[in-house]
Amino acid sequence: GAVVSQHPSRVICKSGTSVKIECRSLDFQATTMFWYRQFPKQSLMLMATSNEGSKATYEQGVEKDKFLINHASLTLSTLTVTSAHPEDSSFYICSARVRAGTTDTQYFGPGTRLTVL
Amino acid sequence: AQSVTQLDSHVSVSEGTPVLLRCNYSSSYSPSLFWYVQHPNKGLQLLLKYTSAATLVKGINGFEAEFKKSETSFHLTKPSAHMSDAAEYFCVVSHLSGNTPLVFGKGTRLSVIA
Repeated sequence: GAVVSQHPSRVICKSGTSVKIECRSLDFQATTMFWYRQFPKQSLMLMATSNEGSKATYEQGVEKDKFLINHASLTLSTLTVTSAHPEDSSFYICSARVRAGTTDTQYFGPGTRLTVL
Repeated sequence: AQSVTQLDSHVSVSEGTPVLLRCNYSSSYSPSLFWYVQHPNKGLQLLLKYTSAATLVKGINGFEAEFKKSETSFHLTKPSAHMSDAAEYFCVVSHLSGNTPLVFGKGTRLSVIA
């Protein structure tokens, strides 16, 4: 199946710093990638839809100036958490969408655990 | 609008016994349905998907699910549970056309007892 990687897998940072998370589709091109946030023992919450070459579409309640998304190429999307605070600590997961004929599937990255001290 | 209801937040089975994880969906259109599995501190792995072809879908690791339109259900089953099946399972609905994001169920935690 299609492989999606995320880097870093785990990051610890001080409050007020910015953190960039990369999401890459390794063996396919993805015009659309998605960023999710997952709190402990909860389901995934969609943060934004990232489209290659255009601005991301943010879900209601997600601050676009705090969570900057860049989809610079068909294989790379980045999420930057700006001026991170302890409440931003979470598990961030990206996915890449593959559409082929009648098949439409999202493949997920392994996630990035962010801890803000 | 689309929604997914996973009827059990936690299911516990003995190793070697059958697994049933229940999922009901609501969709205004012909849906695509997925089951994903998440092991602790890991990303999501696609188990299987239904996209309007055969109603009985076979996935990886011996799992399968049956799409029942009359019952709006897409329950996940496995004949014999293995210890490695212990994880969180998510039922997900989507729509093929447009840019509709996935809609996740709240998840079912499967415990397997030796």
